[in-house]
Amino acid sequence: AQSVAQPEDQVNVAEGNPLTVKCTYSVSGNPYLFWYVQYPNRGLQFLLKYITGDNLVKGSYGFEAEFNKSQTSFHLKKPSALVSDSALYFCAVRDRGNYQLIWGAGTKLIIKP
Amino acid sequence: DAGVTQSPTHLIKTRGQQVTLRCSPKSGHDTVSWYQQALGQGPQFIFQYYEEEERQRGNFPDRFSGHQFPNYSSELNVNALLLGDSALYLCASSFVRRLRTDTQYFGPGTRLTVL
Repeated sequence: AQSVAQPEDQVNVAEGNPLTVKCTYSVSGNPYLFWYVQYPNRGLQFLLKYITGDNLVKGSYGFEAEFNKSQTSFHLKKPSALVSDSALYFCAVRDRGNYQLIWGAGTKLIIKP
Repeated sequence: DAGVTQSPTHLIKTRGQQVTLRCSPKSGHDTVSWYQQALGQGPQFIFQYYEEEERQRGNFPDRFSGHQFPNYSSELNVNALLLGDSALYLCASSFVRRLRTDTQYFGPGTRLTVL
């Protein structure tokens, strides 16, 4: 069965420090991988995606993610966190033979000044 | 360029009632997907509509049905509401003709509360 795991319910980072939000997946074949962010009482906002090619994907607002096929991971990273990055982050995956996105449970990112 | 819009923003219903939620896709998009997001959880896929037909369905009962109109807008209908149907309902649109690398863009959601 396809699944996505975000092992940390919450990540706390000081402003200016690098941040990492972890995601691992279980999908057959070569999946499409996505990161979205959700602010309170808002919908999901697309950050970045991995389709093929370079394992390091750059996205919106200075975020990037590294695809690691052997570890089936797609961790979200940012070199220097901002207080405004505080939000709920979701990892999602889609099997190339499928149309639906499978989602992790989300990680709450808190950036402290 | 208008993004994905959903209506209404909030809705309160009682058990057993029926509800209709509406979604207008982002300009240029032809595919609409619906998701249910319970409090504290990730979204769950309900179904996707393309060319006015349900193309794929998630693990939801037949009480959940939908429709896509010729202008690509979509409706989600839920019959015989249960307390457990209380959730944020998200609509996402995409442009399927970009093969399967399409990105889904989400609306702000409709918060449904069933009493």
